[in-house]
Amino acid sequence: GAGVSQSPSNKVTEKGKDVELRCDPISGHTALYWYRQSLGQGLEFLIYFQGNSAPDKSGLPSDRFSAERTGGSVSTLTIQRTQQEDSAVYLCASSLAWGTQNEQFFGPGTRLTVL
Amino acid sequence: KNQVEQSPQSLIILEGKNCTLQCNYTVSPFSNLRWYKQDTGRGPVSLTIMTFSENTKSNGRYTATLDADTKQSSLHITASQLSDSASYICVVSGGGADGLTFGKGTHLIIQP
Repeated sequence: GAGVSQSPSNKVTEKGKDVELRCDPISGHTALYWYRQSLGQGLEFLIYFQGNSAPDKSGLPSDRFSAERTGGSVSTLTIQRTQQEDSAVYLCASSLAWGTQNEQFFGPGTRLTVL
Repeated sequence: KNQVEQSPQSLIILEGKNCTLQCNYTVSPFSNLRWYKQDTGRGPVSLTIMTFSENTKSNGRYTATLDADTKQSSLHITASQLSDSASYICVVSGGGADGLTFGKGTHLIIQP
């Protein structure tokens, strides 16, 4: 595809339910990143992948959050037992390779609302 | 602690006017600094990237400056247009698990 795509664009769920967010990176990009953006706050880094591997998971807010990437392409971010404080926009980005000199291209985000 | 502070938090100007957004950082070691534009409901898009040795870089009506000694950057928008209404995010490379430290952004509104 032409850019990073994310689905769904909006997700409303009830507290306690599990949700799965999907990210399709730009074809050929080996690095993939997940961020969370709360209202009025800056982007909060969650996790990144080099290929299918996530070297550092310390950015995930709690053990209810997990992410995986298969085939070096699509990634899913799963939030179990959602809480109201999980409400935010979840952004995915990809870059040609890991490294701060490589521009990250962002998807449009998934707006998650937990009621 | 690595930090990126942006000012003002929000700004309203009339169409056609110029404006300057500020970014101060304490990130070390420094690798590069990017300015992103984020339209409502969209992901951020890179406007400019500046490395240690660069003082000024332009992208159309956007001009970014960097003073690595004082750890300050600015983004100047000339002859603003309605489409410039967006959040502008300063991102400094260095620190953080992903090597990036994000500012909270400046929310710019251009009024006709």
